[in-house]
Amino acid sequence: QQPVQSPQAVILREGEDAVINCSSSKALYSVHWYRQKHGEAPVFLMILLKGGEQKGHEKISASFNEKKQQSSLYLTASQLSYSGTYFCGTEIEIGGTSYGKLTFGQGTILTVHP
Amino acid sequence: SQTIHQWPATLVQPVGSPLSLECTVEGTSNPNLYWYRQAAGRGLQLLFYSVGIGQISSEVPQNLSASRPQDRQFILSSKKLLLSDSGFYLCAWRLGTSGYNEQFFGPGTRLTVL
Repeated sequence: QQPVQSPQAVILREGEDAVINCSSSKALYSVHWYRQKHGEAPVFLMILLKGGEQKGHEKISASFNEKKQQSSLYLTASQLSYSGTYFCGTEIEIGGTSYGKLTFGQGTILTVHP
Repeated sequence: SQTIHQWPATLVQPVGSPLSLECTVEGTSNPNLYWYRQAAGRGLQLLFYSVGIGQISSEVPQNLSASRPQDRQFILSSKKLLLSDSGFYLCAWRLGTSGYNEQFFGPGTRLTVL
């Protein structure tokens, strides 16, 4: 039930764009995106809900395709501070709701160079 | 504002020794609480979650256990540590089971079993 993220790693120069994908085999209630710096705890970035609602940081955008159970995180005009490991966490829909339990993908390592 | 604390921050324990990691949340009531483990360079594995005092759900059968003696306290324990228990242990909290609520992680405990 673990979602699959792609690519596994991305290397960018400052100012370049990147897309990170997250795919699930189960019907999803929501998708959560986090960024983790080395040795630190994951930090919340975005929530995308079934039905189109989303909540998150202004400079980060994401999409959620409910039919395909896929989500994508769009990082535009990347900065050095964007470097880290990005995780998607998926919440499976059970009977129109969820149990508040997130299952995380294996992570995508993003490295931004000057 | 809400804060989440974990201690200790780092721990080195011999194989076969007991373990007790503590997590407390301030500034909120009746949160969902979660324990995750992250092996070096790997993703986040959900170990336990709790929706209320004394209510614990186990995700992965192993030699670890969890308890929630108070509303905002979550404890991870082991009677005898294994080498494979080494990792970064993260506690997290979230309000309710609404998909719209983000999950917040504590600073983590880095455990090394020798």
